[in-house]
Amino acid sequence: DQQVKQNSPSLSVQEGRISILNCDYTNSMFDYFLWYKKYPAEGPTFLISISSIKDKNEDGRFTVFLNKSAKHLSLHIVPSQPGDSAVYFCAASVMNSGYSTLTFGKGTMLLVSP
Amino acid sequence: DAGVIQSPRHEVTEMGQEVTLRCKPISGHDYLFWYRQTMMRGLELLIYFNNNVPIDDSGMPEDRFSAKMPNASFSTLKIQPSEPRDSAVYFCASSFRTAYGYTFGSGTRLTVV
Repeated sequence: DQQVKQNSPSLSVQEGRISILNCDYTNSMFDYFLWYKKYPAEGPTFLISISSIKDKNEDGRFTVFLNKSAKHLSLHIVPSQPGDSAVYFCAASVMNSGYSTLTFGKGTMLLVSP
Repeated sequence: DAGVIQSPRHEVTEMGQEVTLRCKPISGHDYLFWYRQTMMRGLELLIYFNNNVPIDDSGMPEDRFSAKMPNASFSTLKIQPSEPRDSAVYFCASSFRTAYGYTFGSGTRLTVV
């Protein structure tokens, strides 16, 4: 049973446009959410995160939005660049219980074309 | 810092053979994780250690899988006997205290034929 769901296996966007990657979760105990980016033949690397006490976190071209009532978060990339082409994993954790592991979604492959 | 180091990068083995994957975490990190990536299930946690002690191995699929961490700088994931359905990319990650401080290795692509 997937607690973190990324329902779009892939997304294609033109350079300069906005990329929106979506993620849904089912466990209401999750209170910390992260996005990881993964290039081929490399391990995932941390991109951006958000705590459940916030509904938005921005870092340069990357913004994560959290809608707790809908159990939904999204990653916006503006403007998209060809170098953003990668697999993006959504992850969630229960941080307020002390240390907790990350539960990942299946990933969305983003392709940004010039 | 060299990051999390995994070996081998690629492994091709025949069904029934024993496979050992290796991981060297970042020095000073007290948590070590083994994840498996497949198309069907994405990134799934197999087992994790804290200060070399296994904390949760509920993600280990079967008794054919075992993991050890004999010291703070080395861990192994062993599959014996291996089966074609074990084919996947296996990642090791380490962190210091926090769940959001994960650093992943480059992974081992395992193919069992």
